[in-house]
Amino acid sequence: QSVLTQPPSVSAAPGQKVTISCSGSTSNIGDNYVSWYQQLPGTAPKLLIYDNNKRPSGIPDRFSGSKSGTSATLGITGLQTGDEADYYCGTWDSSLRAGAFGGGTKLTVL
Amino acid sequence: EVQLVQSGAEVKKPGESLKISCRASGYGFTNYWIGWVRQMPGKGLEWMAIIYPGDSETRYSPSFQGQVTISADKSINTAYLQWNNLQASDTAMYYCARHEWKSAAHWFDPWGQGTLVTVSS
Repeated sequence: QSVLTQPPSVSAAPGQKVTISCSGSTSNIGDNYVSWYQQLPGTAPKLLIYDNNKRPSGIPDRFSGSKSGTSATLGITGLQTGDEADYYCGTWDSSLRAGAFGGGTKLTVL
Repeated sequence: EVQLVQSGAEVKKPGESLKISCRASGYGFTNYWIGWVRQMPGKGLEWMAIIYPGDSETRYSPSFQGQVTISADKSINTAYLQWNNLQASDTAMYYCARHEWKSAAHWFDPWGQGTLVTVSS
C-alpha cells in the first residue's frame, strides 16, 4: 500500500481537460516537492513534471502540476488519444527516508 | 545525450542469485544519484533504492531493505541491483533511472528501458 493515494482511473473526451490527484501527508508531499510520470503502454516511465510544477524540455504546456498542502494535482488540457497512459506521482518521504510513488492512475481518452 | 542502458531479460529459478546492470552515459556518473524501481506484472511503480556513485552512499525503501543490494562501479559508469535468494514474487520489470536530489526536490530522469526478471521453477 503506497503512502501516496491516486484515483485508479479517470476518463475524458478528446479536447477536454482532466485532473489527477495525489494525496499524501506532512512527511511526504507536505515536506517535499512532487514529480509526475507518464507510462505509455509497454514503455518505460517518462518524467512529465518536477519540482511540483516545472516541465522538462520537450513536455508540452498542456501538462501542468500544482501542489497545496499535502496534495498535488496533475492537469492535462486538450486531451489527445495519445495521452492514454498510466500516470504516477512521486515524492520523498522524510519519515521513511526514501522515495515513494502513488499507486498510479489510468487515463482513458474516450 | 544522457542515456541508461540496462542488461537483458533474465529467467531464474527460486533460490538462485542474480545481478542486473544499468550502464550510464552522457553525464558525470559520480555526480548524480541513480536508482531502481520495480513494476510487478500489471501493477504500479515501487521505489526500491538509490545510490550515489561518488561515495557509494545508499538509501533503501523499508520494503526492500535486506531483500536486495544496490551497488555501483564508477570505473565503468554502471549501477547494479542484486538478489541472493530469488523468489517467485521477485518476478517483475526493473527500471533504473537517474535520481535528481536537490534539497527537498527529488525526481527520476531519464529512465532505462527496463529489465524483465522472471523467477519460476
